[in-house]
Amino acid sequence: NAGVTQTPKFQVLKTGQSMTLQCAQDMNHNSMYWYRQDPGMGLRLIYYSASEGTTDKGEVPNGYNVSRLNKREFSLRLESAAPSQTSVYFCASSAPSWGKNTEAFFGQGTRLTVV
Amino acid sequence: AQTVTQSQPEMSVQEAETVTLSCTYDTSESDYYLFWYKQPPSRQMILVIRQEAYKQQNATENRFSVNFQKAAKSFSLKISDSQLGDAAMYFCAFQTQGGSEKLVFGKGTKLTVNP
Repeated sequence: NAGVTQTPKFQVLKTGQSMTLQCAQDMNHNSMYWYRQDPGMGLRLIYYSASEGTTDKGEVPNGYNVSRLNKREFSLRLESAAPSQTSVYFCASSAPSWGKNTEAFFGQGTRLTVV
Repeated sequence: AQTVTQSQPEMSVQEAETVTLSCTYDTSESDYYLFWYKQPPSRQMILVIRQEAYKQQNATENRFSVNFQKAAKSFSLKISDSQLGDAAMYFCAFQTQGGSEKLVFGKGTKLTVNP
């Protein structure tokens, strides 16, 4: 059972380059999330998707775009990377909150450095 | 907008002692979930405990228990008989129940366990 798979694990970009972080889950979850984690800032929500075909902005959406390609996949795109986007990025998914034992499952994280 | 506040950036405890981590949140919702997640140095996010807002009884999981005060919007985590393996970042999280399924985190508390 793979859970939530994020790729790549590490990436170095030059300022202005673009890239897409991929995320896939095999738990048939409706909700998926993208977070960034910076020292002292916790996990800040970038975008989330409550179901296939819907996406919503979180706390820090500027500079990012997302695509909920299907129920399994939720990608995060940086169109023109900036040094301020250097961070660790996490993808997560969760079952509907009205179900019992709801829980978010996380990918292993992507360490992104923009130089 | 929902916000989660963890007022203790760092805490320390002696092995076998008890420690309490604080969390407050702000919301206008009546139905929601609260969570505590643990993040060891491996960066993996691990669910420690969950609490449904409609349940008055405080959740417990072995050595971990919560003090949920809905009116005060407070959700603290008590770790009893602390072990070296409990050393980690601890994040408090809030999820709306139904609808947007938005999941937001606090900034975290770094827990050190001293032998």
